[in-house]
Amino acid sequence: QKEVEQDPGPLSVPEGAIVSLNCTYSNSAFQYFMWYRQYSRKGPELLMYTYSSGNKEDGRFTAQVDKSSKYISLFIRDSQPSDSATYLCASHQGTSYDKVIFGPGTSLSVIP
Amino acid sequence: NAGVTQTPKFQVLKTGQSMTLQCAQDMNHEYMSWYRQDPGMGLRLIHYSVGAGITDQGEVPNGYNVSRSTTEDFPLRLLSAAPSQTSVYFCASSYRRSTDTQYFGPGTRLTVL
Repeated sequence: QKEVEQDPGPLSVPEGAIVSLNCTYSNSAFQYFMWYRQYSRKGPELLMYTYSSGNKEDGRFTAQVDKSSKYISLFIRDSQPSDSATYLCASHQGTSYDKVIFGPGTSLSVIP
Repeated sequence: NAGVTQTPKFQVLKTGQSMTLQCAQDMNHEYMSWYRQDPGMGLRLIHYSVGAGITDQGEVPNGYNVSRSTTEDFPLRLLSAAPSQTSVYFCASSYRRSTDTQYFGPGTRLTVL
């Protein structure tokens, strides 16, 4: 079993829709959770970085962590064509040189 | 401020050839790492370095070699290329630790025939 899993998609939504991207993880020691966005033929870039359970909001993006069910979500409100990318979730335990585990990514297309 | 740069962008090798993928960063970051990205597999850590002169193995180190003689540069060497090494390779750097925000380069697309 992979430590971090995602549905690879592709997910296609109309512009303006609310998008929900999800991850599950298996290691209960994970404390920190990240979402990276990766445009086609580019390197990943950090989008959101959260600690433990709860919600974190940044503009149109909300990251949600439910540690009881080992479930991570990223919500995108008022989605735009520029949001079309692959979204990778990642987790680690929080020690200084801990291994960061990445999910395989979900491909999102926002159609104008 | 160029961030993390990688060369070449694309490379085709024949089985058994060797080559070096270059990575440089201008952010004075101590931590640097190499990942490979394959469909359905996510990013997998190959090697990492916590500072000049210090390197260590990641999850999938076999067939790869690294060195870190300066803070800025972290080249990845393929010793004898195999088709299983066909992948997209990303270099990343972060301030001091693997768990600090990682900044990724644009990637090198490698095909081994």
